[in-house]
Amino acid sequence: QQPVQSPQAVILREGEDAVINCSSSKALYSVHWYRQKHGEAPVFLMILLKGGEQKGHEKISASFNEKKQQSSLYLTASQLSYSGTYFCGTEIEAYKYIFGTGTRLKVLA
Amino acid sequence: DSGVTQTPKHLITATGQRVTLRCSPRSGDLSVYWYQQSLDQGLQFLIQYYNGEERAKGNILERFSAQQFPDLHSELNLSSLELGDSALYFCASSRGDGNTIYFGEGSWLTVV
Repeated sequence: QQPVQSPQAVILREGEDAVINCSSSKALYSVHWYRQKHGEAPVFLMILLKGGEQKGHEKISASFNEKKQQSSLYLTASQLSYSGTYFCGTEIEAYKYIFGTGTRLKVLA
Repeated sequence: DSGVTQTPKHLITATGQRVTLRCSPRSGDLSVYWYQQSLDQGLQFLIQYYNGEERAKGNILERFSAQQFPDLHSELNLSSLELGDSALYFCASSRGDGNTIYFGEGSWLTVV
């Protein structure tokens, strides 16, 4: 039932791009994306409410394919500050959320 | 600073005991969420309140209960504590559906 994220971990050089995927076995009402740095609270990045919706946040954007029950997070021209663990939060019933397995991302100078 | 305040930041308690975690949401936020984060279970959604009413329950044990008060602050009560309840408990708040969710710094609970 827990959504599966891929890849589990990724290492990038500054300026490189990355894609993080979140796949659910259940139909989704919405998808949230969060970033959490070690020892800190998660930071909400964005919510995608409708199938096919794409949203952007600085150089971070995401898409939601409702039919495939998938969401992808796109990180372009990565910066050192992008390092952390990324979680998708999937709304599987109204207002009920399950978080993905997490993707650890490390950006190197 | 997200504006969400959680107390206490750290607590250590013995098995079988009961603790209360408190959360003050951002000014104007009607929704309060509680999450548990542990090394083996990852981040788990426990429960959500909206304007004083329970909205959704996630993986919240029967030994745990929560409420949101008229002033919108919330408390999470954990009873008959077990070693496995040791975790970081986050509270978060938002204005409502589709809005940004702001997390507090968390309450570290260690059960010994």
